[in-house]
Amino acid sequence: SQTIHQWPATLVQPVGSPLSLECTVEGTSNPNLYWYRQAAGRGLQLLFYSVGIGQISSEVPQNLSASRPQDRQFILSSKKLLLSDSGFYLCAWSQGGYGYGYTFGSGTRLTVV
Amino acid sequence: DQQVKQNSPSLSVQEGRISILNCDYTNSMFDYFLWYKKYPAEGPTFLISISSIKDKNEDGRFTVFLNKSAKHLSLHIVPSQPGDSAVYFCAASFGGYGQNFVFGPGTRLSVLP
Repeated sequence: SQTIHQWPATLVQPVGSPLSLECTVEGTSNPNLYWYRQAAGRGLQLLFYSVGIGQISSEVPQNLSASRPQDRQFILSSKKLLLSDSGFYLCAWSQGGYGYGYTFGSGTRLTVV
Repeated sequence: DQQVKQNSPSLSVQEGRISILNCDYTNSMFDYFLWYKKYPAEGPTFLISISSIKDKNEDGRFTVFLNKSAKHLSLHIVPSQPGDSAVYFCAASFGGYGQNFVFGPGTRLSVLP
């Protein structure tokens, strides 16, 4: 069966520091991968998605970037964190194609101080 | 401009009664809809989906109704249980492809014993 791993679960980082969040998927190949953010009191905002290695689409211009160095690995990064980057970050995967929803990871609570 | 709206930020229901969570959308191109449940500090989990060729889909205690003319869908939980207390997200897409999903802001359901 497919599983998705996301770490760390919580992270406290100072303003201006770099960020690297990692997500891996097991039990499937060539998944579509996504990074979402849930800001306090708001819904889920799609940040990036990837349909293949090295293919990244950005939905929202921001201080973040994403990379997909391997088929089942998706990384969210920042060179310099801002206070506004605080939030709950979720990685997700889907089968691709019509009618497949997402399976989400357990999330990372990022607090920028 | 929110394409997917969940106008009730919160809802309280007595255990054993029916919970009705509502979702409205503005884009008539949306043809596939999902509901997710999210507990604090966890990733959302898939509950139930419906495509626009149907007006109802049922899975155990969960039923989703779709009214295309009103651009409205609702999730019914019968009977409600304390373990159903969570935030519920409605999501809509055109084509059902993962990157096209738009999430609503969520409704926090509290089921009171």
